[in-house]
Amino acid sequence: QSALTQPASVSGSPGQSITISCTGTSSDIGGYNYVSWYQQHPGKAPKLMIYDVGNRPSGVSNRFSGSKSGNTASLTISGLQAEDEADYYCSAYTRTNKRIFGGGTKLTVL
Amino acid sequence: EVQLVESGGGLVQPGGSLRLSCAASGFTFSGYDMSWVRQAPGKGLDWVSGLSGSGASTYYADSVKGRFTISRDNSKNTVYLQMNSLRAEDTATYYCARGGVGAEDFEYWGQGALVTVSS
Repeated sequence: QSALTQPASVSGSPGQSITISCTGTSSDIGGYNYVSWYQQHPGKAPKLMIYDVGNRPSGVSNRFSGSKSGNTASLTISGLQAEDEADYYCSAYTRTNKRIFGGGTKLTVL
Repeated sequence: EVQLVESGGGLVQPGGSLRLSCAASGFTFSGYDMSWVRQAPGKGLDWVSGLSGSGASTYYADSVKGRFTISRDNSKNTVYLQMNSLRAEDTATYYCARGGVGAEDFEYWGQGALVTVSS
């Protein structure tokens, strides 16, 4: 099962909104509503930010939102803040009953 | 508060073995599936293995099947990853995570244990 496709990098200025895409196939993203997003700061462990396409765990800012259309999922961060600068990974359930990850996107806050 | 603390990482020669441990606290350990996810230096996340709360069902990535064994001791709130026949490409930080079996999300993560396979 190939990894999901994410842009290598995105950037935005404080206060702006950015969107990170995650493209898969009908065997993963397109087939199930089990897409999640993880934030990872340098040298730290990943943190779950979005689950089941568009749900936020308790404690995650409502500036983070997720959606899906066909075989592509998206993470949107609104009101960008300096602390949002991190790597972001998408993950999806696949028909092989396993989870796969995207290659990761580095978010730079200008 | 959920806490996951990995230990057992280190430097090992190619072909060698290493056992990672992950001590869990802050939740009813036996009620949750657990997984190991690795991250090679400067690379992305890669699911390695998972097992059910009872330990009866185990799952492996093709890249480690037959070489790695996942297990748990619910009396000690600990999950293990026995790694044999290690290769240079197994060099990574190994994270313990709650969930990650089947459609489950990786809800909580430990801080990771670095495994370096080199002669």
